[in-house]
Amino acid sequence: NAGVTQTPKFQVLKTGQSMTLQCAQDMNHNSMYWYRQDPGMGLRLIYYSASEGTTDKGEVPNGYNVSRLNKREFSLRLESAAPSQTSVYFCASSVGDMGEQYFGPGTRLTVT
Amino acid sequence: AQRVTQPEKLLSVFKGAPVELKCNYSYSGSPELFWYVQYSRQRLQLLLRHISRESIKGFTADLNKGETSFHLKKPFAQEEDSAMYYCALRTGGGNKLTFGTGTQLKVEL
Repeated sequence: NAGVTQTPKFQVLKTGQSMTLQCAQDMNHNSMYWYRQDPGMGLRLIYYSASEGTTDKGEVPNGYNVSRLNKREFSLRLESAAPSQTSVYFCASSVGDMGEQYFGPGTRLTVT
Repeated sequence: AQRVTQPEKLLSVFKGAPVELKCNYSYSGSPELFWYVQYSRQRLQLLLRHISRESIKGFTADLNKGETSFHLKKPFAQEEDSAMYYCALRTGGGNKLTFGTGTQLKVEL
């Protein structure tokens, strides 16, 4: 099992460009999450999905959209990237809403 | 609003010395606390949770509701304990976690 996978590993965008970060899990988990981590700060929840077909905002959702494409995949879209979105993005999944969260390796995004 | 505070960015100890990584939380309800760890070039992973009250890799953590703390302790540090440690708080419904800023533990020989 690969666990939680994320693509790409690294990305550089110009201000105003759009992109989608992909996340997939092969553990048959119901819940999936997107976090961002900025220097000197803990991980902050952007969006989460408790089950296929549902999504909900986390602590810092502005500037992002998400899609729970199916049970395996949960994508994060930046419609118009801004330098403030320069960060490391982590995807995670869990069996349910009380389970241990399993994390992906992260995507390092730089917006110039 | 809930908050998790880890006051130390870096904690450096010698091998064999005791380790205590501090975590304080702010939450008005009934908290659930976790410690996550990230070893070099590895993913963030769960180390332990207060509900299970178990020792993992020699680490323990006790939830002290009076002091709103969940410090991580190990009596004798090992070189392989060097890593980034994050304290996290789960509140309310769902599985939303609030993380602290992390403490880098460096175990020196």
